[in-house]
Parts: sequence; C-alpha cells; structure tokens
Amino acid sequence: EPEVTQTPSHQVTQMGQEVILRCVPISNHLYFYWYRQILGQKVEFLVSFYNNEISEKSEIFDDQFSVERPDGSNFTLKIRSTKLEDSAMYFCAGDALLVNNEQFFGPGTRLTVL
Amino acid sequence: AQTVTQSQPEMSVQEAETVTLSCTYDTSESNYYLFWYKQPPSRQMILVIRQEAYKQQNATENRFSVNFQKAAKSFSLKISDSQLGDTAMYFCAFAYSGGGADGLTFGKGTHLIIQP
Repeated sequence: EPEVTQTPSHQVTQMGQEVILRCVPISNHLYFYWYRQILGQKVEFLVSFYNNEISEKSEIFDDQFSVERPDGSNFTLKIRSTKLEDSAMYFCAGDALLVNNEQFFGPGTRLTVL
Repeated sequence: AQTVTQSQPEMSVQEAETVTLSCTYDTSESNYYLFWYKQPPSRQMILVIRQEAYKQQNATENRFSVNFQKAAKSFSLKISDSQLGDTAMYFCAFAYSGGGADGLTFGKGTHLIIQP
C-alpha cells in the first residue's frame, strides 16, 4: 500500500539556521499539507498546496516559512531562520480528492532547535 | 472559524472493555467531514474513522464506531473490545467540505490507556 514518506525523521539545528523538511506524497495525490505539533499539544495546520501554489495558510505560516514542489515529487517545507519555538513534529499529508478530504499523513519529522 | 473540543485529557480502561471518547465542535457550516485520528507512541497519525455530515448513519469500522449528533455538534468515538494496541492519543478533527484545500482542525486529544 502506498504511503507518505518524510525525511529526515529527526533534525537537530541551531537557532537561526535554515532547515528543509522533505516529503514524498502518494503519487496520485493532488493536495498537500504541512502540519505542526508542538510536544504535548494538538496538531496545527500550517499550509496547503495545490497546483504548484499555496491554497490556504494559517497565521502560523509567516514569512519564515515557504513550501515548494520543485520536481513534481518532493514536497518541501523550508524554515529560513529557525527559532526555539519551531521545535516540533512536522507532518506532511496528502489528499487525492478534495471532496473526500481524507488526508494521509507521513510519519513526521521531529525538529529540534537548540 | 471552526473549533474542536475534546474534554477528556486522559482515559484508562481495562482490556476488552468498551470506551467512549467525546468530541464536540462548533461551526456555522452545514457540509463538513469529521474524523478520528489515532497517534500511537510512534507519533504517526493514523485515520481511524470518518463521517460525512450529510449522512445520518453513523460510521463504523470494525471495533470502532461513532455517535454523530449533528444538531448537538457532537461526534464521539466508541471502541469496543479494547485491545492493548489501542493505547494512543486520539484526536478528533474537522474538515470543511466546501472546496479549497482547507486544513484539518484538530482537538487537543485524549490519551487513551488500555490496561492489561
């Protein structure tokens, strides 16, 4: 059964550094999402992406964040200058049909900012 | 904007018992989807069950079923014959179905512990 993959599984970085989190969605998915889960808290929506552009974004998704799908396969989340409060699990998700709204999640990347 | 509330931070039951996790939500929309996701210690998010708001019949998936009360905006999850592997965080989630790639809105979760 196809699945969403994410790399790396754990990323440790220094405050102020740039990080890129990578996701490979299921091949027939059309809509892509990034979510964040700070330890012990709920999962929060960051951004959705469709047809090579951002569709929706939350107030968390400020100018420090960007997303792209450069090669039609990988879907990346970039944080330009990481802050301590960016430490969290980051989940990628995909959806084949918007009307279905059944999102399939990747295993997540744990980001630790020191 | 919609909100999702899970009022039980933690629940603990014995193996083989039945347990019900509660979820309420608030929205002005009439067409939407509701979900229960399971997050085991691995932190992978796994879809347990989904419900379309326009369907009156409650969704069921093997040992998992929901009690969807649209007027009351309530969406509880019942786990029958609970198993040790059911131990996890359970998140209730809402998705608008009106078009546009809206993200899911999650509740804060309920930590379910199944005791042997």
